[in-house]
Amino acid sequence: EVQLVESGGGLAQPGGSLRLSCTASGFAFNKYAMHWVRQIPGRGLDFVSQITIDGDRTYYVESVRGRFIVSRDNSKNTLYLQLDNVRMEDSGVYYCARGLLAAPYAMDVWGQGTRVTVSS
Amino acid sequence: SYELTQPPSVSVSPGQTARISCSGHALSNQFAYWYMQKPGQAPVLVIYKDTERPSGIPERFSGSSSGTTVTLTISVVQAEDEADYYCHSADNSGTWVFGGGTKVTVL
Repeated sequence: EVQLVESGGGLAQPGGSLRLSCTASGFAFNKYAMHWVRQIPGRGLDFVSQITIDGDRTYYVESVRGRFIVSRDNSKNTLYLQLDNVRMEDSGVYYCARGLLAAPYAMDVWGQGTRVTVSS
Repeated sequence: SYELTQPPSVSVSPGQTARISCSGHALSNQFAYWYMQKPGQAPVLVIYKDTERPSGIPERFSGSSSGTTVTLTISVVQAEDEADYYCHSADNSGTWVFGGGTKVTVL
């Protein structure tokens, strides 16, 4: 079964850090671009970050650039998102998603999300 | 910053057709993607590259593009199609955004 499982969410104070992980199974992880998308419960989707197959190119939404770092370890089938200097507006459910082979920015498999809460 | 504009809500009777628009100045030369999200669940890709349907998505879901507007059409709407729908695309500088979402209510 193709599956993505996020972990690492929790409570962080403003200015603090968290590291999110996304473990993939059931497919050749090293052949797919990967994405992070967040959502404030009850609100819309926010595209956060993207990383290419080899990790040589990354993309960040302007609001997280310089604070978040996306990376991947293809030997462990795992995607990461390092959140540093977090702000209250970074709170939400963070989803990892797989890019479609035919269209890497189309996200065809999603995890169930991990919740991040930034509060003092 | 780039914005994609969707109507907040669309209501449709079972068996009828629902059309959800998404407008953005770069849509005339950037592909759009559509996602369906039901409460408490992760989004599901229903259309990519304006008109392509992933495997497993029913044929009643279709996409079209005209100028700076893309449209998701759900034909012969069923109760199970009630969900939030989001468009996703980029501007010409590579900034990726989601539309604000459209809540489809099946009456």
